[in-house]
Formats: sequence, C-alpha cells, structure tokens
Amino acid sequence: GEDVEQSLFLSVREGDSSVINCTYTDSSSTYLYWYKQEPGAGLQLLTYIFSNMDMKQDQRLTVLLNKKDKHLSLRIADTQTGDSAIYFCAEFYNQGGKLIFGQGTELSVKP
Amino acid sequence: GAGVSQSPSNKVTEKGKDVELRCDPISGHTALYWYRQRLGQGLEFLIYFQGNSAPDKSGLPSDRFSAERTGESVSTLTIQRTQQEDSAVYLCASSLASGASGRAGNEQFFGPGTRLTVL
Repeated sequence: GEDVEQSLFLSVREGDSSVINCTYTDSSSTYLYWYKQEPGAGLQLLTYIFSNMDMKQDQRLTVLLNKKDKHLSLRIADTQTGDSAIYFCAEFYNQGGKLIFGQGTELSVKP
Repeated sequence: GAGVSQSPSNKVTEKGKDVELRCDPISGHTALYWYRQRLGQGLEFLIYFQGNSAPDKSGLPSDRFSAERTGESVSTLTIQRTQQEDSAVYLCASSLASGASGRAGNEQFFGPGTRLTVL
C-alpha cells in the first residue's frame, strides 16, 4: 500500500540542528521530496533526492535516504526562527503521477 | 501568470449546495493535480490530469466529486451536495509532465489553495 509517516511535532532552539524523519512504503519510488508549508502560504519544494542516492546536501539542508529501511530524513543546520513551518515528505508514486504525502511535521523554533 | 493560481481563496457554503473550485496552472505545464488537506493533516491525492484526460481518479472520495480540464489549461473541481466533512483546503498543483522526468523528477508547483467551509 501507499503510506508515508512522519512525527507530528518538533521543537528546537535557534542555532541548533533540526532533524525531521519520514518513513515510506513504496520501495519502487524514484524520487522523494521535502516540501515546506508556512502559514497562509502554498507548499514550497525545498529539496528532493533521487532513489539511487543516499545523501544530498543543499546549503543548510541535508537529506539522508536509507532505502533498505525506507527511511528519509531532513536535517536543517543552524535552524532559524524563519524555518518555523510544517515540513512534508512525499514520495513519487510510480504507478501514476501522484505524490503521496506524509502528515507533516510542525517545526517550532524558539529564540 | 508566474505561478499556479486558484479561486476563490475562501468559500463558505451551506450543506447540500454545490461548489466549483478553479485552478489555473503554470503555462506550458501539461500535468495538473488536485489534493485535499484537512485540518492538521497531510495532503490527500484526489485526481490528476495529463492534458485534458484524467488517468487517475482514484482519490475522489465519492461520486459527488468531479473534475474537468480544458485542454492544457484551467481545471475545475466540482463538489455536489456538499457535506460538512468536505471542509478542507483544496490544493492544485501543476508540473511539466506527469512522469518522473526532468531535474526534480515530478516537481509539482502548488497554488495557494481554496479553503472550503461547509456549514
């Protein structure tokens, strides 16, 4: 079946690293994504990783992929108050064109 | 326009009424998607279009829901005889193609959504 799961909340202090975790079920997914949703704004693609990679770094963002365990994580270095948002992981469902989203992790950054 | 636009941004309706939600995708994007986001939950896939055909309607929750697309342009999502459980934010996205291709595979660009409240 199609299922993507995330923890619902994460709270960190400004300047710390944040790690948001996600598990997925479709082992044939070719792409996995992280989207950010700020209050009153649309979903914004933050970064993505192709399934034949195990790590991707993009400025303060590091994505780690463990295909064996079907586990994806997003690390945000030097977290800022402006990073407070809901973060969604999503897998590309190869049997069709849709993305399967997790429930979202609400990141709260305290000064 | 530069991004995906949706209208109306907010819609309040009475139970039993029909509503129509509109999505204008990014020009040149052949694929268009509708998702629903209930309060405090993730996005739930409803339907996608490749051009004006809909290869996957599997996410439509009931026969009260339908969607159309004109060519590779505007799409409308219609909900007939609305129920309170239909209250949600309805998000539209578009992408260059429906398959995994290009720089980010199937990068979908999202609109701001329509917040539907059924009283």
